[in-house]
Amino acid sequence: GAVVSQHPSWVICKSGTSVKIECRSLDFQATTMFWYRQFPKQSLMLMATSNEGSKATYEQGVEKDKFLINHASLTLSTLTVTSAHPEDSSFYICSARRSDIQSSYNEQFFGPGTRLTVL
Amino acid sequence: DAKTTQPPSMDCAEGRAANLPCNHSTISGNEYVYWYRQIHSQGPQYIIHGLKNNETNEMASLIITEDRKSSTLILPHATLRDTAVYYCIVRRDGTASKLTFGTGTRLQVTL
Repeated sequence: GAVVSQHPSWVICKSGTSVKIECRSLDFQATTMFWYRQFPKQSLMLMATSNEGSKATYEQGVEKDKFLINHASLTLSTLTVTSAHPEDSSFYICSARRSDIQSSYNEQFFGPGTRLTVL
Repeated sequence: DAKTTQPPSMDCAEGRAANLPCNHSTISGNEYVYWYRQIHSQGPQYIIHGLKNNETNEMASLIITEDRKSSTLILPHATLRDTAVYYCIVRRDGTASKLTFGTGTRLQVTL
């Protein structure tokens, strides 16, 4: 089956530092990847959609200069949280939509998530 | 994409069928019904999806009403490992569509 990995699975950093989270589709190509954020006891909120080789599309209210997204290849997207603050502490989840096969629908697979804690 | 309404929580005894309802009264003709679940501190897992016909796979069955305004996800023999938040999502097909998560139903399977 299609597998999406994230690295790291958890990270603790000091306020003001930047943190990079990687999302990889291990056995399929993904033209489109998505980044979600989930606060405790809340649902997933879509932050941005990234397409390989082009700029990401951010949802309303998400600061693009704070959450930098790079999707340089068909199997890798990165999310960098710049100048992280305690309010950025959250569970970040990526998702990849496979593009290497013809399907009756656009399958979307999720990574295991990265828990970010900013002290 | 159409909005969905789900009960916030449900309980189910292990071994019994879990029937999770979802209302999507504003669904359009080209929108699919998707079900995902999220076990605590993990990423969402795809379960099943359908357009208008009932669907079944190794995980669950999806029953969509004839008018498509509601659906039911059925886990035929719930186990403790099925304890999770279940999300019903309505989404158009196509590369431009996005999965938008609502609040879901928290299913607690008990002994």
